[in-house]
Amino acid sequence: QKEVEQNSGPLSVPEGAIASLNCTYSDRGSQSFFWYRQYSGKSPELIMSIYSNGDKEDGRFTAQLNKASQYVSLLIRDSQPSDSATYLCAVKLQAGSARQLTFGSGTQLTVLP
Amino acid sequence: DAGITQSPRYKITETGRQVTLMCHQTWSHSYMFWYRQDLGHGLRLIYYSAAADITDKGEVPDGYVVSRSKTENFPLTLESATRSQTSVYFCASSVEAGRSNYGYTFGSGTRLTVV
Repeated sequence: QKEVEQNSGPLSVPEGAIASLNCTYSDRGSQSFFWYRQYSGKSPELIMSIYSNGDKEDGRFTAQLNKASQYVSLLIRDSQPSDSATYLCAVKLQAGSARQLTFGSGTQLTVLP
Repeated sequence: DAGITQSPRYKITETGRQVTLMCHQTWSHSYMFWYRQDLGHGLRLIYYSAAADITDKGEVPDGYVVSRSKTENFPLTLESATRSQTSVYFCASSVEAGRSNYGYTFGSGTRLTVV
């Protein structure tokens, strides 16, 4: 079992819709959770972080964390074609070093005009 | 320029040659990392460093060597390049903080092809 799992997609949504990206993790003691966006040929860019159960909103992005079920999700409201990218979930596993993040393989999102 | 820079952006090398990828950051971040990204595998940690002269292995360290004599530089050396090391390599850095809730900032990457 991979430590951090994401649906690879591709996920396609129409412009203006809500895109929902999901991530599960295996280490129950994990503390910190991050979402990165990566455009084709570019480096990952941090867009959200979450540490406590519940929702965290930042503009059109909402991160949701459920530690009991060991999943974290990212909702993108009013999706735009510019949101088309690969979204990487990253988890700071308790078992790892203090600063190590483990990444999922990413979900490719396409927003159709 | 402030930030984290990698060089070169693109590199083609032959099997068996030694090649060094450079990473430089201007924030004085304590932590630095090297990842490789391959289709189907996502980002995999090669080596990381908590401070100057402190380095440790990640998930896929075989065939790679790192050093960190200065806080701002973290070069990655492929001692004898193999085709399986064809990949995109990302360097990243992170602040030293009492809380473990900081993400990483990535460099722009080096696309390495071993022929």
